[in-house]
Amino acid sequence: NAGVTQTPKFRVLKTGQSMTLLCAQDMNHEYMYWYRQDPGMGLRLIHYSVGEGTTAKGEVPDGYNVSRLKKQNFLLGLESAAPSQTSVYFCASSYSGFHEQYFGPGTRLTVT
Amino acid sequence: GQQVMQIPQYQHVQEGEDFTTYCNSSTTLSNIQWYKQRPGGHPVFLIQLVKSGEVKKQKRLTFQFGEAKKNSSLHITATQTTDVGTYFCAPGGSARQLTFGSGTQLTVLP
Repeated sequence: NAGVTQTPKFRVLKTGQSMTLLCAQDMNHEYMYWYRQDPGMGLRLIHYSVGEGTTAKGEVPDGYNVSRLKKQNFLLGLESAAPSQTSVYFCASSYSGFHEQYFGPGTRLTVT
Repeated sequence: GQQVMQIPQYQHVQEGEDFTTYCNSSTTLSNIQWYKQRPGGHPVFLIQLVKSGEVKKQKRLTFQFGEAKKNSSLHITATQTTDVGTYFCAPGGSARQLTFGSGTQLTVLP
């Protein structure tokens, strides 16, 4: 089992460009999450999904959109990147909201 | 999600010394999870506490959940260089999401 995978691992964008981060899990988990991690800020929840076709906003959703068309995939989109979105992005999945979360290796995004 | 304060933010210890990080909430928590993130890595689940006053051990790591379920601690006995990383608490206040504390970054000096 690969667990949780993320693509790409690194990306540099210019302000105003768009991109999509892909998260995939092979554990048949219902719940999936997108976090961003900035120095000294811990992990902040951007959006999450409790099942295929559902999404919900987290703590810091502005500037991001998500889609969960397939149970195993959770996509995070940036329509018009801003320097404030420079961060490390982690995807995670879990069996339920009460179970442990499994994290992907992260995507390091720089917006210039 | 529940808001928590995690202290200290940073801790430097000599190898062999003990280490403790605390997670405090102003409200009662339904459960709390602990994660470890090695430098350059991703968070990895350590344990979940659910019951009031619960104590769980994993080798040199001891996890406690307060009697009032408003605080939790992680204690490492005789630290080793492999313990280096950031330790996060993550209380679960709802059925759908966790709120991660800001973490305690542990440095172990050989």
